[in-house]
Amino acid sequence: DSGVTQTPKHLITATGQRVTLRCSPRSGDLSVYWYQQSLDQGLQFLIQYYNGEERAKGNILERFSAQQFPDLHSELNLSSLELGDSALYFCASSALGGLAADTQYFGPGTRLTVL
Amino acid sequence: AQKVTQAQTEISVVEKEDVTLDCVYETRDTTYYLFWYKQPPSGELVFLIRRNSFDEQNEISGRYSWNFQKSTSSFNFTITASQVVDSAVYFCALSEARETSGSRLTFGEGTQLTVNP
Repeated sequence: DSGVTQTPKHLITATGQRVTLRCSPRSGDLSVYWYQQSLDQGLQFLIQYYNGEERAKGNILERFSAQQFPDLHSELNLSSLELGDSALYFCASSALGGLAADTQYFGPGTRLTVL
Repeated sequence: AQKVTQAQTEISVVEKEDVTLDCVYETRDTTYYLFWYKQPPSGELVFLIRRNSFDEQNEISGRYSWNFQKSTSSFNFTITASQVVDSAVYFCALSEARETSGSRLTFGEGTQLTVNP
């Protein structure tokens, strides 16, 4: 158990809908990361937050947004869902997330299926 | 741009065989960090090792060992006396120490290891 929690574990929804994925980092960790794992794209970095502020952005679609709250939990919002958004979404956390690239510990993931 | 290549898509071995998973990386930076993660059939990503670019010492942890060679930009992973529980997808990843890129991980495509009894 990495100490990172993600809810829900599975999510099935329809095209055009909006969903919210939730992540709680390990106790004491300030950085939260979101990654998408799909068959065609592999594991892709989406976005990083550090202590409530956006730190780095990857290949995140405009239909997707994220935020980190004062209690350091994070939410990833996916809207206008398309079939191609079906994937496993991972949250990870690390103590600092600065230039020293400290170890990221991953949650169990949320499996999103868009029908 | 940074890139990680795991040329072996699938490897199948018989229990107790030794197996090496290859990882080749590309980066323009002199300071960077390399990682290995394991993804068992249950789906979670399990951290195995982190290595910075200034530390080329090989590392051994039980049946696992890692060989880091900057000259060939490789960070290979060897499992000695493999066991059925080692069956998983293994990912190599790279993180550059840049202000603009944060601490993002760039992953390779992964190697599916199957250990048969």
